Amino acid sequence: AQSVAQPEDQVNVAEGNPLTVKCTYSVSGNPYLFWYVQYPNRGLQFLLKYITGDNLVKGSYGFEAEFNKSQTSFHLKKPSALVSDSALYFCAVRDINDMRFGAGTRLTVKP
Amino acid sequence: SQTIHQWPATLVQPVGSPLSLECTVEGTSNPNLYWYRQAAGRGLQLLFYSVGIGQISSEVPQNLSASRPQDRQFILSSKKLLLSDSGFYLCAWSVGQGTGGYTFGSGTRLTVV
Repeated sequence: AQSVAQPEDQVNVAEGNPLTVKCTYSVSGNPYLFWYVQYPNRGLQFLLKYITGDNLVKGSYGFEAEFNKSQTSFHLKKPSALVSDSALYFCAVRDINDMRFGAGTRLTVKP
Repeated sequence: SQTIHQWPATLVQPVGSPLSLECTVEGTSNPNLYWYRQAAGRGLQLLFYSVGIGQISSEVPQNLSASRPQDRQFILSSKKLLLSDSGFYLCAWSVGQGTGGYTFGSGTRLTVV
């Protein structure tokens, strides 16, 4: 079965610094990988996805993710963090009829 | 364009009372529909999913049930709420079997008192 893991419950960065939120995956076949963001008391919002093609995927709000097949990783990155990026981030992998989500990583960007 | 509506946004219900949360999707046909629960602002627990009218799959045995009376309508119900049913409930839809992502509703904060 497809699965993803987010090894960090919490990531803290200073505003203006680069940020990385980690995700590793386990799939049989081609991985269809996603990142979502959730702000307090809101639904999840789509950030980006990897289906095929370039390993570096660009998404919303200046985020990007790097697909690394050898390391089975799909880390979310942003060159310069904003305080408004503080939120809960979910990595996910698409299965046939559903999507498997990681446990989530809470990102806090401090001014 | 496709949109998803979920209501109510917040709900406070006494223990033992019934529950009905509704989710509707516009702008698409025959979507896959999902109910998730999120406890303590963390991970998502898939409760039910549906690939068509009247077709419901339950992931976790519990005090809740789901129904899909129309193609784009998904309802989460309970006959008698428990304190442990408190949480943030999210509805989502996707296009069948494919590589597309999910689109989520804005969620319902349920507090059972």
